[in-house]
Amino acid sequence: DTAVSQTPKYLVTQMGNDKSIKCEQNLGHDTMYWYKQDSKKFLKIMFSYNNKELIINETVPNRFSPKSPDKAHLNLHINSLELGDSAVYFCASSPLALGLDTQYFGPGTRLTVL
Amino acid sequence: RKEVEQDPGPFNVPEGATVAFNCTYSNSASQSFFWYRQDCRKEPKLLMSVYSSGNEDGRFTAQLNRASQYISLLIRDSKLSDSATYLCVVNKGNQGGKLIFGQGTELSVKP
Repeated sequence: DTAVSQTPKYLVTQMGNDKSIKCEQNLGHDTMYWYKQDSKKFLKIMFSYNNKELIINETVPNRFSPKSPDKAHLNLHINSLELGDSAVYFCASSPLALGLDTQYFGPGTRLTVL
Repeated sequence: RKEVEQDPGPFNVPEGATVAFNCTYSNSASQSFFWYRQDCRKEPKLLMSVYSSGNEDGRFTAQLNRASQYISLLIRDSKLSDSATYLCVVNKGNQGGKLIFGQGTELSVKP
């Protein structure tokens, strides 16, 4: 009964490839997020969707494109992968979009670009 | 200045010790404050929200000083299982749901 799930858990790929990470939440939350945690452990928000609508779009290269087919799913597609994209990517969800409530994180996808 | 700053540690303490973590934030419009815990190679999980009046949950006490833009977490009677990274988290007051995470303070509790 995983609340926020991500696939795959590990992703190893070559520079220049295109890859996708999928996220699903079964909590009935309206808002979902993508975060990137780099090698220095800083966790930074990339995108946020509320009811399938993009509400936060940080300064992220346009090689990164989120897609939310419904409010329970938020996928992340990355084109032309670069070495610097290597990181752990976390999906999260929360009931509201106000930043006042708990965010629930998925287990993370560890991306390694060779 | 970083938006949320924490002492990265590591803090190495014996079991039973009391340890305090500090955090400062730069955005005076921030409204929500949290401590999250992240175990090695795991996702962050909410430890506790931080309220203006201060709040306690068992061995954990959180304090907020809005005037100084300062947040603290006190852990009493440390357990081995408390070993983790503790993340100070603040919402970006004028950007709704956006949370800003500190880099975390690493705690290692030794027998």
